[in-house]
Amino acid sequence: KAGVTQTPRYLIKTRGQQVTLSCSPISGHRSVSWYQQTPGQGLQFLFEYFSETQRNKGNFPGRFSGRQFSNSRSEMNVSTLELGDSALYLCASSLNSLTSGNKETQYFGPGTRLLVL
Amino acid sequence: GQNIDQPTEMTATEGAIVQINCTYQTSGFNGLFWYQQHAGEAPTFLSYNVLDGLEEKGRFSSFLSRSKGYSYLLLKELQMKDSASYLCAVRDRDTDKLIFGTGTRLQVFP
Repeated sequence: KAGVTQTPRYLIKTRGQQVTLSCSPISGHRSVSWYQQTPGQGLQFLFEYFSETQRNKGNFPGRFSGRQFSNSRSEMNVSTLELGDSALYLCASSLNSLTSGNKETQYFGPGTRLLVL
Repeated sequence: GQNIDQPTEMTATEGAIVQINCTYQTSGFNGLFWYQQHAGEAPTFLSYNVLDGLEEKGRFSSFLSRSKGYSYLLLKELQMKDSASYLCAVRDRDTDKLIFGTGTRLQVFP
């Protein structure tokens, strides 16, 4: 079974631009979560999508948004990029929503490394 | 508030045993996860604890004490390939969110 895939793997943008990142979950998984990882802050939760609905949201500004399609693929968009948005963006999929039970295990994709100049 | 604490870095020798500690403070608790992350790669799931006690899985074991807000990951018979970051994450019962620590970077020397 193929794992979680993310595209693109690397991206360079300039301040003020916007970016869209894509994530394809493991086949059959319906939940997709997005995280931002930086050396100083570690992994920070952005949001979770399940059945095309946002189920949970972290403490990020409205510039960060996402959506999920009927095939469970998800996209994350960041508008008006800032230097501080440079990070590794990780997508994780799980069979069911994280709100459904405690043992729900997430499987991470390789990430998209975004550099904002 | 929510807080997960882990040591930033640890070193150990091949063949030895190392214990990576994690303490947490969350408004509610609904399970603790350990992940391994090699440099430049995705985190991979290692273990899950929701009840007090020790869970053993091969060379890796994870322990939880809910009353102390404490967990550790025990790695035995260390191998060079165990050099990686180890992430502790707690699921907050009230928000269902996974709160991650900043990770412990383990370096294994020959």
